[in-house]
Amino acid sequence: GQQVMQIPQYQHVQEGEDFTTYCNSSTTLSNIQWYKQRPGGHPVFLIQLVKSGEVKKQKRLTFQFGEAKKNSSLHITATQTTDVGTYFCAGDFGNEKLTFGTGTRLTIIP
Amino acid sequence: DTEVTQTPKHLVMGMTNKKSLKCEQHMGHRAMYWYKQKAKKPPELMFVYSYEKLSINESVPSRFSPECPNSSLLNLHLHALQPEDSALYLCASSQDTTGYNEQFFGPGTRLTVL
Repeated sequence: GQQVMQIPQYQHVQEGEDFTTYCNSSTTLSNIQWYKQRPGGHPVFLIQLVKSGEVKKQKRLTFQFGEAKKNSSLHITATQTTDVGTYFCAGDFGNEKLTFGTGTRLTIIP
Repeated sequence: DTEVTQTPKHLVMGMTNKKSLKCEQHMGHRAMYWYKQKAKKPPELMFVYSYEKLSINESVPSRFSPECPNSSLLNLHLHALQPEDSALYLCASSQDTTGYNEQFFGPGTRLTVL
C-alpha cells in the first residue's frame, strides 16, 4: 500500500542547533503537506509543496520537495524551545485523502 | 473563524455504553474527516465526508458510526467499544477533498474505554 516514512523517529537537540527530518514515500506524490503537533495538542498545518524540486522558507524553517516527488525534508535553523513537538509530513497520492508520515518527535535541551 | 470545535474534550465509557462525539466548523468547508490517534503515532484516517456524503471508510469496525447532519456538523457514534479503541479522536475539515487544501484540526476528544 501507499506508505510515508519519516526519519528519525526522535531527535534531541541542544537549543540553537539545527534540526532536519526526512520524509520518504513509496510512490510519487501529487503534493506533500507538513504539520506540527505540540505535546498535548493537535496537528497544525505548516506548509504545502506541490512542484518537483520546490523549496519554501518560513523564517527559520526550510521545506524541500524532491525532484521525483517521492521525498521531502524540513530543516529548522537554530532551534528554539518553541520548536518542540512532533513534525508530520502528509502525502497526497491523488486519492482524496492525506497519508500521514510516521512523525519525528523533536525535543530541545535548553 | 478558522476553528474546528470538538465536544467533549474527554470521555470515559464502558464497553456497553453508547456515546457520540461531535465536531463543528463554520469555515464553509465541504470536506470533513475523522482520525484516530494513538500515543506517539500519526493520525490514522477513519472516515471522509465530501459534500455531506460518506466518501471514504477506511475499513473501520461498525461499532464506529459516522454521521454528517449538515455541512457544518460531523458526529461519530460509538457503541460497544473495546479498550483498544481508547485514543485521541481528531476531527478535521478542508475546503474539499482534492488534496491541495490544508486540513484544519480540532483539539480532539480523548476517549478512554474501560
